[in-house]
Amino acid sequence: GAVVSQHPSWVICKSGTSVKIECRSLDFQATTMFWYRQFPKQSLMLMATSNEGSKATYEQGVEKDKFLINHASLTLSTLTVTSAHPEDSSFYICSARDWASGSSDTQYFGPGTRLTVL
Amino acid sequence: AQSVSQHNHHVILSEAASLELGCNYSYGGTVNLFWYVQYPGQHLQLLLKYFSGDPLVKGIKGFEAEFIKSKFSFNLRKPSVQWSDTAEYFCAVNAGTGGFKTIFGAGTRLFVKA
Repeated sequence: GAVVSQHPSWVICKSGTSVKIECRSLDFQATTMFWYRQFPKQSLMLMATSNEGSKATYEQGVEKDKFLINHASLTLSTLTVTSAHPEDSSFYICSARDWASGSSDTQYFGPGTRLTVL
Repeated sequence: AQSVSQHNHHVILSEAASLELGCNYSYGGTVNLFWYVQYPGQHLQLLLKYFSGDPLVKGIKGFEAEFIKSKFSFNLRKPSVQWSDTAEYFCAVNAGTGGFKTIFGAGTRLFVKA
C-alpha cells in the first residue's frame, strides 16, 4: 500500500531556531500534500495544503511566514517552522494524496514529527 | 464551512460488546466520508470510506459505517469489539466536488477491557 514517511520523527530545538520537517511519498506521486498539527488529546487541525510546483494554501489563522511550506517535487514536501517558540511544540503530521487515485480523495498519512521547543 | 462532530470523547467497553461511534457533519453539498483509526504509538490508518453508492460501507477489521444523508451522519459500528480495537477513532469529511481539504472530528478514544 501507499507509504508516507516523515523525517525527523522527533526534534528538540532551542527557542528562536528554525526546524525543517520532510514528508515523502515513497511509492506514489503526490500532487497534493497536507500538513496537520495535532495537540495532545485533540484532533488534527489542517494547517495548509501543499501543491507541487505552486504556493501552499494556508488555513485561516496559520501564519504563512512562520510555517514555510515547499512542495518541490511529486514526492517531497517540507514544512519549516521558523523562529520556533515553545508554543509551537506539537505533533506535526503530513498526508499525501495519490495522484493516480483519480477522484478517490484518499489520503495516506505519515507517522508524524514531534517538535519540542525549549 | 464544513465541520465534523463526534459525540463521544471517551468510550469504555468490555470485549465482545457492540460498538457504535457517532459522527455528524455539516456541509450542504456532496461529501466524501472517512473513518480513520490511530492505534497507540502508531500513525493514522484508514478504516473505511464512503464516496457514493451503497450507504452501508464495510471496512477493515469488521468495522462498518452507515451514511444517512438526511441526518448528516456517518456512524461507525462493530458488532463485537476486541481488546486490540483500543485506539482513537476519527471521523473526517471532505467536499465531494474535488475539494481535497479534509476536516477531522475531535476523535473518540475507545478503551476495550479484556
